[in-house]
Amino acid sequence: DQQVKQNSPSLSVQEGRISILNCDYTNSMFDYFLWYKKYPAEGPTFLISISSIKDKNEDGRFTVFLNKSAKHLSLHIVPSQPGDSAVYFCAASLGYGQNFVFGPGTRLSVLP
Amino acid sequence: NAGVTQTPKFQVLKTGQSMTLQCAQDMNHEYMSWYRQDPGMGLRLIHYSVGAGITDQGEVPNGYNVSRSTTEDFPLRLLSAAPSQTSVYFCASSYSISTDYEQYFGPGTRLTVT
Repeated sequence: DQQVKQNSPSLSVQEGRISILNCDYTNSMFDYFLWYKKYPAEGPTFLISISSIKDKNEDGRFTVFLNKSAKHLSLHIVPSQPGDSAVYFCAASLGYGQNFVFGPGTRLSVLP
Repeated sequence: NAGVTQTPKFQVLKTGQSMTLQCAQDMNHEYMSWYRQDPGMGLRLIHYSVGAGITDQGEVPNGYNVSRSTTEDFPLRLLSAAPSQTSVYFCASSYSISTDYEQYFGPGTRLTVT
């Protein structure tokens, strides 16, 4: 059973609007979360992270929100741009010295 | 810096053949790992290493071997290829296994086993 779930395989958004990508996890002991972005024929690249001691982290157009009680995190992209079209992976770790568990990914398409 | 490099980019094997996927990094990273990506499954950890001479199993290690004789290189060996090993393989490296440090991924190797 997957410990990290991304229940939307794909998402389409108009350019300039907000993109919201969701991620749910089952293990309440996860305490560090990452989002990676992947373009076709390339490896994933790190986007943004959040520790369980926070409920929000921002980096430019990207904001990650963490709701520990719901075991849910989301990535907001505002405003969305066509170059944001990619597969987004959510990943979770039990903490220092532990490997990350990845979700299956959500393919975002930003339409001009 | 070249970052993380992987060779080959594509490979087709017949069932039962063996091969080695190469991975190298020039960032002096201690932590290196191998993942496979399958549709609907995300990235699953095969093996990882926290330094030269130290390797450990990840989530899906069966059918694969690794070694880490140098800091720079972390090859993945398929001992006897099976169709279930058809996948895209990514190598990654990081300064350490600590969550303080992001992982850098290579461009991937697409493997097909017939």
